[in-house]
Amino acid sequence: GENVEQHPSTLSVQEGDSAVIKCTYSDSASNYFPWYKQELGKRPQLIIDIRSNVGEKKDQRIAVTLNKTAKHFSLHITETQPEDSAVYFCALGSTLTFGKGTMLLVSP
Amino acid sequence: DAGVIQSPRHEVTEMGQEVTLRCKPISGHNSLFWYRQTMMRGLELLIYFNNNVPIDDSGMPEDRFSAKMPNASFSTLKIQPSEPRDSAVYFCASSLLGKLETQYFGPGTRLLVL
Repeated sequence: GENVEQHPSTLSVQEGDSAVIKCTYSDSASNYFPWYKQELGKRPQLIIDIRSNVGEKKDQRIAVTLNKTAKHFSLHITETQPEDSAVYFCALGSTLTFGKGTMLLVSP
Repeated sequence: DAGVIQSPRHEVTEMGQEVTLRCKPISGHNSLFWYRQTMMRGLELLIYFNNNVPIDDSGMPEDRFSAKMPNASFSTLKIQPSEPRDSAVYFCASSLLGKLETQYFGPGTRLLVL
């Protein structure tokens, strides 16, 4: 089955810095790579996704990059703000195998 | 659109009791997923249905867990008998059959088994 490793498990940054979270996977057949944000006590919500026919996708301050050869994809958040503090999950596969999550803390 | 609806939002029960969690998917969605989230194991897919038919239940932990989807607008996840290690947040999600990966999550049920 699909397996996905997510790093780091926790990430602390100062407001305005950039944050990068990386996931590696083993299943070459995967072609959909979403990222979810989960605030404390809330449900996971899709924030950005990428399909295997592109290498990068941007949406304002967030971007996702995909390297299918190396089997990894990353979430990039620029100009971080305190409200970006949350747990971020990568996922892959048609029925979503989730990474273990990264707790991002943005300090003012 | 009301989104995915789950009930109850919180459940506290004693070990050995039966627990039933309920989910109403987004109208028109024909795939439904049940997930469990814990600190130790993260988000785990338990089972999913397409057109009310269970497709993959390999994530169901053991026979104490069962799930049904009697119609397109309702599903249940039952734990009988419950154990303290079942304490977790249980999420239901739904999607369109042709776009399984675009899932919309419900607010979750926080279960505590004492």
